[in-house]
Amino acid sequence: DQQVKQNSPSLSVQEGRISILNCDYTNSMFDYFLWYKKYPAEGPTFLISISSIKDKNEDGRFTVFLNKSAKHLSLHIVPSQPGDSAVYFCAASAIFGNEKLTFGTGTRLTIIP
Amino acid sequence: GAGVSQSPSNKVTEKGKDVELRCDPISGHTALYWYRQRLGQGLEFLIYFQGNSAPDKSGLPSDRFSAERTGESVSTLTIQRTQQEDSAVYLCASSLGRGNEQFFGPGTRLTVL
Repeated sequence: DQQVKQNSPSLSVQEGRISILNCDYTNSMFDYFLWYKKYPAEGPTFLISISSIKDKNEDGRFTVFLNKSAKHLSLHIVPSQPGDSAVYFCAASAIFGNEKLTFGTGTRLTIIP
Repeated sequence: GAGVSQSPSNKVTEKGKDVELRCDPISGHTALYWYRQRLGQGLEFLIYFQGNSAPDKSGLPSDRFSAERTGESVSTLTIQRTQQEDSAVYLCASSLGRGNEQFFGPGTRLTVL
């Protein structure tokens, strides 16, 4: 039972354009959502997060949007840069639980110069 | 400062042998997590430590898997009688605890022949 889903395994975007990565979840107990970025042979690195009391969080070129009613979140990267090419994982946790992260299967983003 | 380190970085073993994977968390991080990522899949939670105790072992796939943590620092994940389906990258993460970002190590790639 995949509680966090990233339905697009890959995405290619032209440099300078907006990259939009999507994530859906099914568990209504999730109240904290994160995006991690992963380069080959490295562990995931934290990118940005959002708590369920917000619907948007912005950090530089990265913005995460949360639609609780649709159980959907998205990560926007604008403008996209070649260094953004990586695998992006969406993750969720129940902050008043043990905070284990439930991850999606990842989306491989390729930025085309 | 030093991040999360894991050893070995790669381990090749024969089916039926035992393996031990090590994680050194960031100094002062009380929470420690083990995840694994099988080929083409997302990260899968295995076990969570708060201090030296493990309140959530729900992700351990079978009784062949065990983990311990000593001195609120280093943790070892032991897999007994390895099977080919145990082949994966095993990732360790640590955090300051509730509500804090999890920092990941580079992982140990385990291959069971």
